[in-house]
Amino acid sequence: DTEVTQTPKHLVMGMTNKKSLKCEQHMGHRAMYWYKQKAKKPPELMFVYSYEKLSINESVPSRFSPECPNSSLLNLHLHALQPEDSALYLCASSQAGTSGTDEQYFGPGTRLTVT
Amino acid sequence: ILNVEQSPQSLHVQEGDSTNFTCSFPSSNFYALHWYRWETAKSPEALFVMTLNGDEKKKGRISATLNTKEGYSYLYIKGSQPEDSATYLCAFSNTGNQFYFGTGTSLTVIP
Repeated sequence: DTEVTQTPKHLVMGMTNKKSLKCEQHMGHRAMYWYKQKAKKPPELMFVYSYEKLSINESVPSRFSPECPNSSLLNLHLHALQPEDSALYLCASSQAGTSGTDEQYFGPGTRLTVT
Repeated sequence: ILNVEQSPQSLHVQEGDSTNFTCSFPSSNFYALHWYRWETAKSPEALFVMTLNGDEKKKGRISATLNTKEGYSYLYIKGSQPEDSATYLCAFSNTGNQFYFGTGTSLTVIP
């Protein structure tokens, strides 16, 4: 199974809502990533988990809260988002915790709209 | 934030044509360079991971070269087919787990 799944595919939320994005992989990968991509821009790294520990936080606002409950699951909790947070949120995983030489496997993304 | 540039932004070619595009990245503190293909409504798919200066990698009709000293990588597609239509992204890593993506080259192959 070389698939990374993400749910939901689409999410519309108000600025006062709390929601979560979910990402799952069963490839035994030990690094998992959250990226944000706005239209016509490159994907931007948000967070990296390595062996279930947060290893990189690219100065992401606290209204985004990542969680890695086990090695197969990665969540992104959303609270008090702004309309400018509307974007495609991509999850990825790779085999090792600290090697940039491993391929990343991406999920199809969650299209988030904040109203 | 590191600057990773891809050119051209978009490209239309006829079926059967060969084509190539460029990824430029900082030449200092190089760790790895990744190429991905991203078809509409699908997940980005890894094509190559390149680490050594002078690396050349090939997968079917697609190949890539790497020059870390001058900070560029080329992606070549030989005999383009309509199914090659996609956005091709490169991602530069200078530390291992941090990746900086280019904006991509959108390729359309016209039958």
